[in-house]
Amino acid sequence: EAGVVQSPRYKIIEKKQPVAFWCNPISGHNTLYWYRQNLGQGPELLIRYENEEAVDDSQLPKDRFSAERLKGVDSTLKIQPAELGDSAVYLCASSLRGGHGYTFGSGTRLTVV
Amino acid sequence: AQSVTQLDSQVPVFEEAPVELRCNYSSSVSVYLFWYVQYPNQGLQLLLKYLSGSTLVKGINGFEAEFNKSQTSFHLRKPSVHISDTAEYFCAVSDISSGSARQLTFGSGTQLTVLP
Repeated sequence: EAGVVQSPRYKIIEKKQPVAFWCNPISGHNTLYWYRQNLGQGPELLIRYENEEAVDDSQLPKDRFSAERLKGVDSTLKIQPAELGDSAVYLCASSLRGGHGYTFGSGTRLTVV
Repeated sequence: AQSVTQLDSQVPVFEEAPVELRCNYSSSVSVYLFWYVQYPNQGLQLLLKYLSGSTLVKGINGFEAEFNKSQTSFHLRKPSVHISDTAEYFCAVSDISSGSARQLTFGSGTQLTVLP
């Protein structure tokens, strides 16, 4: 079975520019997560979806970050405008509802210059 | 809320030697415990998980971990490491009482470097 697919793998943008990341979860996985991993640290949750509903976005910086999961399948995470401190790896993961342990994608490494 | 402390940021070890990566957690409720591995420029891969039952959990690639409730620890071990085990290892917890909200809280990671 195909794993969690993320694109692009790498992105370099100038500060104040917009950027978007895309995630395709494992087929049938109701729950989708976006995590941010700063250099030398563990991942931190940004937002969690149950189907198309964002059920936990308390740690998403809403002034510049937005996310959507249309039709409860693919998801897009957007940053506008990007800041230098947004440089990180953005990881998408999915699981069955109530599942224990996710499947992670390979991530998108964002560099803001 | 939970927190995870990985006591060693870097662990160098020679090939075929045993290794232990330490993980301690703090939580006011019961938790599930996980170990993930991250190879360079890749996502995280689940190594093993403790949900209930036997406190000794066996995972992939010859790794195992032991849950110690009294010491709130979940240390990862391997009796003989290979060069290919070089990677970053993350310990994580989730709150049993959160129902379907299986949010993972991660430690800061331990870089395991296996030397020839």
